[in-house]
Formats: sequence, structure tokens, C-alpha cells
Amino acid sequence: EAGVTQFPSHSVIEKGQTVTLRCDPISGHDNLYWYRRVMGKEIKFLLHFVKESKQDESGMPNNRFLAERTGGTYSTLKVQPAELEDSGVYFCASSQTRLSPLHFGNGTRLTVT
Amino acid sequence: AQTVTQSQPEMSVQEAETVTLSCTYDTSESDYYLFWYKQPPSRQMILVIRQEAYKQQNATENRFSVNFQKAAKSFSLKISDSQLGDAAMYFCAYRSAGDGNQFYFGTGTSLTVIP
Repeated sequence: EAGVTQFPSHSVIEKGQTVTLRCDPISGHDNLYWYRRVMGKEIKFLLHFVKESKQDESGMPNNRFLAERTGGTYSTLKVQPAELEDSGVYFCASSQTRLSPLHFGNGTRLTVT
Repeated sequence: AQTVTQSQPEMSVQEAETVTLSCTYDTSESDYYLFWYKQPPSRQMILVIRQEAYKQQNATENRFSVNFQKAAKSFSLKISDSQLGDAAMYFCAYRSAGDGNQFYFGTGTSLTVIP
């Protein structure tokens, strides 16, 4: 089966610009998660979708971040406007049920200059 | 909130030798899951091993095994007969068995395998 795919793999943008990250979960996985790792620090939870609904978005840092999952399939994470501290690796993961193991994508490395 | 600590930013091991990666966590919950994930360079993160807190027996997956000490809140990963393909960033993670869906990760340990 195809794994979790993320696009782009790398993105370099200037402060103030907008970037949209995309995640395609494994087909049939209702649960989709976004995580972020800032350089040298732990991987932190951003939010969790069950199908198209946001189950938990307690980890979203501020209102510059907007996540969507239209139709319960792929998800996008938009950062607008980007700030320097948004740099890091953004991971997407999916699971079939809430207690199933997570399957991660390769991550998107975002650099804001 | 739960925290996961990996005190070894970098580790190295000679090929065919054994290495142990440390992980401690802090929680007030009694039922939870612990994981070790591996991320090879430029590749996706994959699950190495998983431990349910209610199980006293340490989980084992081929060359990978854990030393789970619930009272000490310690969850170390032992890699036996290390291979070049084991080189990766290793993350320790915690997840509640209750309603919470969040994984809590440590900062990672970068493992180098020396030929």
C-alpha cells in the first residue's frame, strides 16, 4: 500500500510569505495528525483530524496556522504569514483507528528566512 | 502534561556491537503506551517497537528490545548486533491509553553505526 506522502519535501520562503503543506494519508485512514519538530527540540503535536473534523487542535501555535481536511482525504496546513520561528520539519501521520499505530510521512522541511 | 526526555543527543556504536538508548518520561497516568520510532536520513519515521504499560514483560522485535521500568518511568531501547542500516534518529514517544490522542516525543537520539 502507498504510505503517507507529504509535499513539498522542502520549502524555503521569506518571512511574511505564505506556504501550504500537503499531506496524503494512507487510504482508509480516518485519523490524520500534524506534528512539528523545531531544530534540536522534541516533535510536538499540532492537531488531529478524524475524517474531515478537527478532533484536537490544541497544539496549533497561533492563528497564522490553518489546517484543513476537505472530504476527509488529504490535508493541508497553511502558514500565513510565515515567521522565522515557524522553521522546522512538519510531519504528517495517519492511522486507521485512534489506537492503531501511526504511519508517518517523510516530513516537509520548512525554512523561513 | 506528559514529558519525554532523551538525554543522549548523539550515540555511536561499532557494527555488530550492542547499544542502549535512554528514555525517561513523566506522567501521572497508570495506563499508557510507549514507543520507539526510527527516522533514517531523508526517509520516513517508522515504528521500531511498542510497549503497553500494563504489560510487565519487555517488548522484543528481533534485534530490538526494551527495558521498561514502570516505577522508574524509564524506557530504554537496546539494539543488538548493530547494523549499518540502524543508523538513524531515534525518537522515544508516549501516548495515553485514555481519550487523549496526542503522542509526546523526546528530542531524539542520533545513532551512528561505525563500520
